[in-house]
Amino acid sequence: EDKVVQSPLSLVVHEGDTVTLNCSYEVTNFRSLLWYKQEKKAPTFLFMLTSSGIEKKSGRLSSILDKKELFSILNITATQTGDSAIYLCAVPGGAGGTSYGKLTFGQGTILTVHP
Amino acid sequence: KAGVTQTPRYLIKTRGQQVTLSCSPISGHRSVSWYQQTPGQGLQFLFEYFSETQRNKGNFPGRFSGRQFSNSRSEMNVSTLELGDSALYLCASSYQPGQSSYNSPLHFGNGTRLTVT
Repeated sequence: EDKVVQSPLSLVVHEGDTVTLNCSYEVTNFRSLLWYKQEKKAPTFLFMLTSSGIEKKSGRLSSILDKKELFSILNITATQTGDSAIYLCAVPGGAGGTSYGKLTFGQGTILTVHP
Repeated sequence: KAGVTQTPRYLIKTRGQQVTLSCSPISGHRSVSWYQQTPGQGLQFLFEYFSETQRNKGNFPGRFSGRQFSNSRSEMNVSTLELGDSALYLCASSYQPGQSSYNSPLHFGNGTRLTVT
């Protein structure tokens, strides 16, 4: 059974701080790893990582995958109060490992950014 | 493009009743998945439908069922509701056939908040 573990489970920082969120995984047939941000209701897609060592960036957010050590990190620099959310890491599975409809999620990291 | 639409937004039901939740995927998306989110268990996969066929199923009892229509819209049904079924039910869609895996992440709706009393 696929497994995803995130750490820390919660994090409180002040605006301007840099944070690193961790995600480790065990999957039968690795295809990719995804990061989502959930503020109120719908998780919104951040990154999909498939290749080891290649950083994906979007503004102040960046993420990298290490397929050898089976983990990924999500970095947020110069945090803002609007970054307060639950950050979710997930891996797809399902029939033959090709289905992106079935995701196994980690528990999530609750990030709180104080002004 | 309109996002994933779920109705209703909120539901309050009594133990033993049944409930049907509805999901309209993003136009052109053919895969619809359902998830249950609770504070204790996090986000858990219920099932996935593609072209009106259930493609994957999570570890939930048979009281949880779903279906997909020819227009890709989907419904999920929970029968004989239990208190533990209180949760946020999220629907997500994606488009996979012929599309690169880089472009197939799930897009979630805002969910239906179900409270069972």
